[in-house]
Amino acid sequence: GQSLEQPSEVTAVEGAIVQMNCTYQTSGFYGLSWYQQHDGGAPTFLSYNALDGLEETGRFSSFLSRSDSYGYLLLQELQMKDSASYFCAVRRNDKIIFGKGTRLHILP
Amino acid sequence: DTAVSQTPKYLVTQMGNDKSIKCEQNLGHDTMYWYKQDSKKFLKIMFSYNNKELIINETVPNRFSPKSPDKAHLNLHINSLELGDSAVYFCASSLEGARDYGYTFGSGTRLTVV
Repeated sequence: GQSLEQPSEVTAVEGAIVQMNCTYQTSGFYGLSWYQQHDGGAPTFLSYNALDGLEETGRFSSFLSRSDSYGYLLLQELQMKDSASYFCAVRRNDKIIFGKGTRLHILP
Repeated sequence: DTAVSQTPKYLVTQMGNDKSIKCEQNLGHDTMYWYKQDSKKFLKIMFSYNNKELIINETVPNRFSPKSPDKAHLNLHINSLELGDSAVYFCASSLEGARDYGYTFGSGTRLTVV
């Protein structure tokens, strides 16, 4: 079968750094993606890791360890607008399977 | 604007009715999808079409029937609506290739069955 595990909620302070983890179990693994979804909005693509290591895009970084079936999304210099749900998604050869998401709460 | 657009944004209907949701993308993508997001925000794939051909049909009741008249459009028709069909339905599209450039999602259709 296939499964993705993410913490359901994380709370952090404005200006701080937060890491959101994702562990997965699947066959036919191609890579790990991350999506952001604000309340009432559509999921938007943030990043993709096919190989081990860190990918950085501005304040957002994503990490993958294929041997550990583990990845994380790192957000730096948190802003209130980063309050949203963050989904990791496993890319297989035929489709993307989403985790249940981590709700990020940011305190002023 | 280049985007994935779906209509309607909100749909309230009675049990037993038949309804359709339309989706169009002008991104030149070759694959389109329907996802269902339940009240717990779980995003589950329903269907996938590549160049008008059905390539994924997950365990979805056959009351749900997708139709792709061309590679820019993917519509979803639902017969005999049930209370459990209430959810947000997202259309998405992607460009196939070696690297994942991500799915582009439409703004969603919030379906409420009463």
